[in-house]
Amino acid sequence: AQSVAQPEDQVNVAEGNPLTVKCTYSVSGNPYLFWYVQYPNRGLQFLLKYITGDNLVKGSYGFEAEFNKSQTSFHLKKPSALVSDSALYFCSEGGNAGNMLTFGGGTRLMVKP
Amino acid sequence: EAQVTQNPRYLITVTGKKLTVTCSQNMNHEYMSWYRQDPGLGLRQIYYSMNVEVTDKGDVPEGYKVSRKEKRNFPLILESPSPNQTSLYFCASKSMGYSNQPQHFGDGTRLSIL
Repeated sequence: AQSVAQPEDQVNVAEGNPLTVKCTYSVSGNPYLFWYVQYPNRGLQFLLKYITGDNLVKGSYGFEAEFNKSQTSFHLKKPSALVSDSALYFCSEGGNAGNMLTFGGGTRLMVKP
Repeated sequence: EAQVTQNPRYLITVTGKKLTVTCSQNMNHEYMSWYRQDPGLGLRQIYYSMNVEVTDKGDVPEGYKVSRKEKRNFPLILESPSPNQTSLYFCASKSMGYSNQPQHFGDGTRLSIL
């Protein structure tokens, strides 16, 4: 069965500094990986997805993700954090058909001015 | 505007009193799904549906029912709610037209079962 792990409950970063939110996965076959963001009292919003063959995927709001097959990781990155990036971030894996999504436990990103 | 709409947004009720949370999407998506979100556990899938009259269990289906009589609607039914079903619930939908499509989420329903 597929699984997703986000090892950090919270990441703190100063505004303007680069940020990384970590995600590792376990799946047989090709992974279907996504990043979502959740703001208070809202549903999840899609940020980006892994595209087979692209080790660096660009998404919304200046975010990107680095895929590493040997480390089974899909870390979310941004070169320069904004206070407005503060939110809860979820990594997910869609299984072979992308229908049964498995989510990591979430990482709260706090960007301080 | 493309959206997934859940109702109610908040509900406090008592153990054993049947309740239904409605979910509707206006994007003509084939796929719909229900999740519950609990602190430290992320989102866990309850049920999903790949088309009308086709439903499948997710990771945590016990105590829940769903139906998919129309493409746009996917209600979540708790026949006899219990306190351990107190949670934040999300409905989501996506197109099945292409592989690896992201899901569109509603704004959530916070249920408290006393």
